[in-house]
Amino acid sequence: GAVVSQHPSWVICKSGTSVKIECRSLDFQATTMFWYRQFPKQSLMLMATSNEGSKATYEQGVEKDKFLINHASLTLSTLTVTSAHPEDSSFYICSARQPQNEQYFGPGTRLTVT
Amino acid sequence: QKEVEQDPGPLSVPEGAIVSLNCTYSNSAFQYFMWYRQYSRKGPELLMYTYSSGNKEDGRFTAQVDKSSKYISLFIRDSQPSDSATYLCAMEEAAGNKLTFGGGTRVLVKP
Repeated sequence: GAVVSQHPSWVICKSGTSVKIECRSLDFQATTMFWYRQFPKQSLMLMATSNEGSKATYEQGVEKDKFLINHASLTLSTLTVTSAHPEDSSFYICSARQPQNEQYFGPGTRLTVT
Repeated sequence: QKEVEQDPGPLSVPEGAIVSLNCTYSNSAFQYFMWYRQYSRKGPELLMYTYSSGNKEDGRFTAQVDKSSKYISLFIRDSQPSDSATYLCAMEEAAGNKLTFGGGTRVLVKP
């Protein structure tokens, strides 16, 4: 299957700072990337859908000014959590797909805000 | 009522047994159905991807889709302790759209 990577895998930051998470499709070009967050023992919650070269589409209840998404190339999307607070601590997972194909997930990034 | 229902488990089976997982859904527009396996603190791994009704087999895994009943299943034969994980069903209306996930079923295979 296709490979999607995320960096970093784990990050700790202080409250009020910003954190950037990268998502890369390593062996295919992803026209669409998705960002999810997952709380312990819960399923994935879609945050936003990102198409290369255009603005991300955010799900209802997700603050677009807080969670900045950039999809500048067909292999890279970034999620920036701005002015992070402890309630933003979560497991963030990206996924990528080509048109009409399966969706492949990255390994996730664990964010802890202190 | 959630759009996709999945028993959270945990489902505990002895090694070598068949693991049977299922999801029900309410949206008749769903056409593509997936099963993912997720280990703790890892991203989901795609196991099976099927279109419309029918069966699909891949190694020890068999996926079944019954659109008339809005019911999908995943069977794992000869289960191993390494199969212990959370299994998520997911579905979409058209290829390329966003996925709708079930809540996941935690499976424990005991040696």
